[in-house]
Amino acid sequence: GENVEQHPSTLSVQEGDSAVIKCTYSDSASNYFPWYKQELGKRPQLIIDIRSNVGEKKDQRIAVTLNKTAKHFSLHITETQPEDSAVYFCAATDFNKFYFGSGTKLNVKP
Amino acid sequence: NAGVTQTPKFQVLKTGQSMTLQCAQDMNHNSMYWYRQDPGMGLRLIYYSASEGTTDKGEVPNGYNVSRLNKREFSLRLESAAPSQTSVYFCASREQGLYEQYFGPGTRLTVT
Repeated sequence: GENVEQHPSTLSVQEGDSAVIKCTYSDSASNYFPWYKQELGKRPQLIIDIRSNVGEKKDQRIAVTLNKTAKHFSLHITETQPEDSAVYFCAATDFNKFYFGSGTKLNVKP
Repeated sequence: NAGVTQTPKFQVLKTGQSMTLQCAQDMNHNSMYWYRQDPGMGLRLIYYSASEGTTDKGEVPNGYNVSRLNKREFSLRLESAAPSQTSVYFCASREQGLYEQYFGPGTRLTVT
């Protein structure tokens, strides 16, 4: 089955700095790559996603890049704010089963 | 429009007890999923149902059974609970043809 690895496990940045989280996947059949934000005690919330026919997608301060050849994708958050502090998960799917990374705890220091 | 709902919110079981976690969605979605989330880990797929009447195993199905009761409801049963099943369980649903999943609020289960 698919194997999704996510790095780093924790990330601490100063408010206003950028944050980058990276994921790799193993199954070339995977064709959709969502990113979720999860606050403590809450459900995961989709923040951005990308399909395999697209290399980059941006939504305000958040962007995702995908390199299909290398099988890796990354989340970029610019101008970080304290409310960005949470756990972020990447995932990969071939449309049926979703496989998640182990998460990155982002701490944005004011 | 409640989205995806789960009951109960919290549950404590003794080893060997059984219970059923309930999930319902009011978005007329075809696909439904059950995940578990252990501390410091991502979500792992237990079972999923691509459509009413079908169910398939995910990554970690051992110790669980599921029932897709109708299009709205997808239940997860633990026949004989074990401490290793202590986790937070999330249900999710997805519209056919679309990728985005919608998650329920979760059930926090502790097995002692």
